[in-house]
Amino acid sequence: AQKVTQAQTEISVVEKEDVTLDCVYETRDTTYYLFWYKQPPSGELVFLIRRNSFDEQNEISGRYSWNFQKSTSSFNFTITASQVVDSAVYFCALRGSSNTGKLIFGQGTTLQVKP
Amino acid sequence: AAGVIQSPRHLIKEKRETATLKCYPIPRHDTVYWYQQGPGQDPQFLISFYEKMQSDKGSIPDRFSAQQFSDYHSELNMSSLELGDSALYFCASSLTRLAVQETQYFGPGTRLLVL
Repeated sequence: AQKVTQAQTEISVVEKEDVTLDCVYETRDTTYYLFWYKQPPSGELVFLIRRNSFDEQNEISGRYSWNFQKSTSSFNFTITASQVVDSAVYFCALRGSSNTGKLIFGQGTTLQVKP
Repeated sequence: AAGVIQSPRHLIKEKRETATLKCYPIPRHDTVYWYQQGPGQDPQFLISFYEKMQSDKGSIPDRFSAQQFSDYHSELNMSSLELGDSALYFCASSLTRLAVQETQYFGPGTRLLVL
């Protein structure tokens, strides 16, 4: 079975602090894909990043960075110098190669960035 | 860039009524997914279509049906609505290349309230 766990339900930080959102996944597939989506208060789901299981290179995009470690089945997301606009629910998701594309989401982490 | 379009954005229905949600995928995307997100929950996969054929089915009630049309838009039909059907319904689309689904991009969602 496939599963995604985001153990942090809510995180509150003050603006300009760094924050890391944890994501641990379970799958028996040798090829799989991991994603992060952002859901701001307005409700839409915004795609942030996709990582293939065969590519463990970490990625940085502006203030966002992602740390993928197959050895610990983790795909953590760090926001550097957080801003109020980063306040949202962040979902980690998994898609295995054995299914037809459906995403398995974690429970989500609500990030509140206070001014 | 064009995004996924969903209509209506908001819908209020009475119990036992029917509802039809529409989804227009990103141009040239051939795969459509439907997800249901209850309050405070993560999105749950309902059903997907590839090239107008159902490709996968999740926890979709028998009261719900869906299809993808020749122009690739999709409709989710919901009958005998129950209070528990109140949720945010997302449509996502992706392109499938060599039997591998690319990243799913989500529409803004339809917020359904059943009274």
